[in-house]
Amino acid sequence: GQNIDQPTEMTATEGAIVQINCTYQTSGFNGLFWYQQHAGEAPTFLSYNVLDGLEEKGRFSSFLSRSKGYSYLLLKELQMKDSASYLCAVGGATNKLIFGTGTLLAVQP
Amino acid sequence: GAVVSQHPSWVICKSGTSVKIECRSLDFQATTMFWYRQFPKQSLMLMATSNEGSKATYEQGVEKDKFLINHASLTLSTLTVTSAHPEDSSFYICSANGASGSYYEQYFGPGTRLTVT
Repeated sequence: GQNIDQPTEMTATEGAIVQINCTYQTSGFNGLFWYQQHAGEAPTFLSYNVLDGLEEKGRFSSFLSRSKGYSYLLLKELQMKDSASYLCAVGGATNKLIFGTGTLLAVQP
Repeated sequence: GAVVSQHPSWVICKSGTSVKIECRSLDFQATTMFWYRQFPKQSLMLMATSNEGSKATYEQGVEKDKFLINHASLTLSTLTVTSAHPEDSSFYICSANGASGSYYEQYFGPGTRLTVT
């Protein structure tokens, strides 16, 4: 079966660093994606990992360990506008994306 | 950049009626489009995969006779919710693959909020 888990909610302070974890067990694996979604809007692409290690892109970094079925998204220098849901997704067969439960991040002043 | 539009952005319909949602790739040809459903405070659930000129592939548990998908051209896919019921009220989002067909090029539409009364 397919199982992708994330914490439901997290709270962090403006200017701080937050790490959102994602664990997965899927029948196929063609990469790990992170998306940001503001309420009532479509998801926007943040990062893609297919090999183990850390990918850095500005304030956002994403890490993958395929042997552990584990990924995290690291957000630095948090801003109020970073308050959103963060969705972890695994690329499955035939270009399908399997989404995790999503993490609602609240950034407080 | 690649843009995907959806129409309408929101719709209210009465129980028992049907409603059609359009998904268009505006500046690229999409060989594959996906339809997702998202309930409040939940993640996206893939409903079906739509390929141009062929029948859609539905995920387990999704009724193909209730959620009719037509991918008539490389830029348009439609989802028709037939005989809608209040439990069908949800946020419906489509996405489209770019010409390369890679996951990396999956672009999402802005979503359609359906409310069935």
